[in-house]
Amino acid sequence: AQSVSQHNHHVILSEAASLELGCNYSYGGTVNLFWYVQYPGQHLQLLLKYFSGDPLVKGIKGFEAEFIKSKFSFNLRKPSVQWSDTAEYFCAVTMSNTGKLIFGQGTTLQVKP
Amino acid sequence: DTAVSQTPKYLVTQMGNDKSIKCEQNLGHDTMYWYKQDSKKFLKIMFSYNNKELIINETVPNRFSPKSPDKAHLNLHINSLELGDSAVYFCASSQDLAGGSTGELFFGEGSRLTVL
Repeated sequence: AQSVSQHNHHVILSEAASLELGCNYSYGGTVNLFWYVQYPGQHLQLLLKYFSGDPLVKGIKGFEAEFIKSKFSFNLRKPSVQWSDTAEYFCAVTMSNTGKLIFGQGTTLQVKP
Repeated sequence: DTAVSQTPKYLVTQMGNDKSIKCEQNLGHDTMYWYKQDSKKFLKIMFSYNNKELIINETVPNRFSPKSPDKAHLNLHINSLELGDSAVYFCASSQDLAGGSTGELFFGEGSRLTVL
């Protein structure tokens, strides 16, 4: 079955630490890839997306992600996190034959000031 | 202006009751969705409508019935509520079908349903 998995369920970092959240999907065809963020009590917002072209995409708030097709991965990175980055992070994938956005389980990021 | 708006934001009700959640988008999108977020924050698609037509209907109890009076609205009606229905329900919309070139989803703020 097509699925999306995020390796880290709960990450705790200190401010200024570097962040990398893993995301893998299982589907051999064309995909569109997304990272969404959900701040406490708020709705999901798009951080960044990849449809085609340069596999290294930059998003809002200093986030970036790299699509590695051979590894079926789309990991999220930020060189230096801030306390305000505390949130839930969701990787999501649309697979060309389904017409639906499938989410990973989410990663809770807690940044300590 | 809120792009995707849902009402109510909070809903507390007894088991066995029937309730509805409404969703409206002012983005001019053709496709709308309902997602359920459980207590572990996992998001699962329930339904998708494109131009008022049901295109995705996941394995959801038939107590859940979506209705799309026009392409800007997608309501969710739930009959005979059960404890396990407690969750946050998110409405979303996209210009194109998810998977298309403009398949980015825009989400509402969620409706937290608590069944007692």
